[in-house]
Amino acid sequence: DIQMTQSPSSLSASVGDRVTITCRASQSISIYLNWYQQKPGTAPKLLIYATSTLQSGVPSRFSGSGSGTDFTLTISSLQPEDFATYYCQQSYSPPYTFIFGQGTKLEIK
Amino acid sequence: EVQLVESGGGVVQPGGSLKLSCSASGFTFSGFAIHWVRQASGKGLEWVGRIRSAPNGYATEYAASAKGRFTISRDDSENTAYLQMNRLKIEDTAVYYCSRAITGSTIWLDPWGQGTLVTVSS
Repeated sequence: DIQMTQSPSSLSASVGDRVTITCRASQSISIYLNWYQQKPGTAPKLLIYATSTLQSGVPSRFSGSGSGTDFTLTISSLQPEDFATYYCQQSYSPPYTFIFGQGTKLEIK
Repeated sequence: EVQLVESGGGVVQPGGSLKLSCSASGFTFSGFAIHWVRQASGKGLEWVGRIRSAPNGYATEYAASAKGRFTISRDDSENTAYLQMNRLKIEDTAVYYCSRAITGSTIWLDPWGQGTLVTVSS
């Protein structure tokens, strides 16, 4: 199975900071990479699909890039509501296993 | 509004069974695959499996941890998907989410239900 490794696992930052989270696949997944945001006690929410396409309603300070095995999620200027856990997910098929990264918890410094 | 609502969670003994439901509204349920994802307390997201739509033969795929014990099904006339869980283990304790799969240039999950808690304990 394709494995997804996110880094860092946790990150402390301040409002206004630029933050980058990395996701690496164990083999090439083309652009089959999505990002989700999860706040405590709530369901995950889709942020970005197909590596770089923002889901409707997601602020433009979020962006995604990459291809093959290396991907990044960037938040250009952190806002208070952005403190959450972020997950990458591959949807490369086959083998249709939709593996998630282990998550990156973004905390207030 | 597109919405998914899970139900059926609860407390079950190890070795027992439980059937979760995922009720959909606000979209043409029959045209979409439905995925199940779980999350143990304080842990990350774990994909459980999916069921595709009728044109794709209602094909199912499962994570290794679910294969042989869990079965995903759907009733398009009721706009509902199901996750039948048998031979439950303590490590199956988690919040279980269902989500709609959108197929475009890739496949992504949106929206997600609010989740239902399954506790496997003696």
